[in-house]
Amino acid sequence: EEQLVESGGGLVQPGGSLRVSCAASGFNFSDHYMAWVRQAPGKGLEWVGRSRIAANRYATEYAASVKGRFTISRDDSKSSLYLEMNSLKTEDTAVYYCVRDKTFWSGRHFYYYMDVWGKGTTVTVSS
Amino acid sequence: DIQMTQSPSSLSASVGDRVTITCRASQKINNYLNWYQRRPGEAPKVLIYAASTLQSGVPSRFTGSGSATDFTLTIDTLQPEDFGTYYCQQTYSTPYTFGQGTKVEI
Repeated sequence: EEQLVESGGGLVQPGGSLRVSCAASGFNFSDHYMAWVRQAPGKGLEWVGRSRIAANRYATEYAASVKGRFTISRDDSKSSLYLEMNSLKTEDTAVYYCVRDKTFWSGRHFYYYMDVWGKGTTVTVSS
Repeated sequence: DIQMTQSPSSLSASVGDRVTITCRASQKINNYLNWYQRRPGEAPKVLIYAASTLQSGVPSRFTGSGSATDFTLTIDTLQPEDFGTYYCQQTYSTPYTFGQGTKVEI
């Protein structure tokens, strides 16, 4: 079974740092782009960022709201994805989901969609 | 960033109804549009990708259509397990933004 399990969430003070992790199993992790999506209380889904694969030099992309503060990394040998969060703000309070960013080649274009989701880990930024 | 606007924000429907949700992009995104379902207490699930391609295992009562800036998700013959919140997402360019969601209630 393809599975993603997040860990490392918790309570942190504004301005603090936290690293959350995601352990993948049941599929070849190194073949897939991986992403983080979050949902703040009472809000909708927000794409946080993603990591490409080794063939793309593990390039990363971020939402403007987290760029410069958050860093996504991965360890293919451990089938793990990480989200390092610095300079945390109260508005970063959310459930953070680890997601597989599936690639589909139509014969003309690449399409991406999120087909495997973890259950999420809760990050609370509060004094 | 590309803004995605869904309508309505919520709707009430009955089992057996036909439901239509629309999603509008702030610029042309060709057909780089996905639809997700979020049931309470569960992680989101992809229903449709590339605007109209049904994800494996998703019932055929779900249909996606549209291109450029205007897209539609249609649920034919609404079932009890279809209640929840639906999100569109563009993957034309990063950041891959979501719509604000449409809550489908009984």
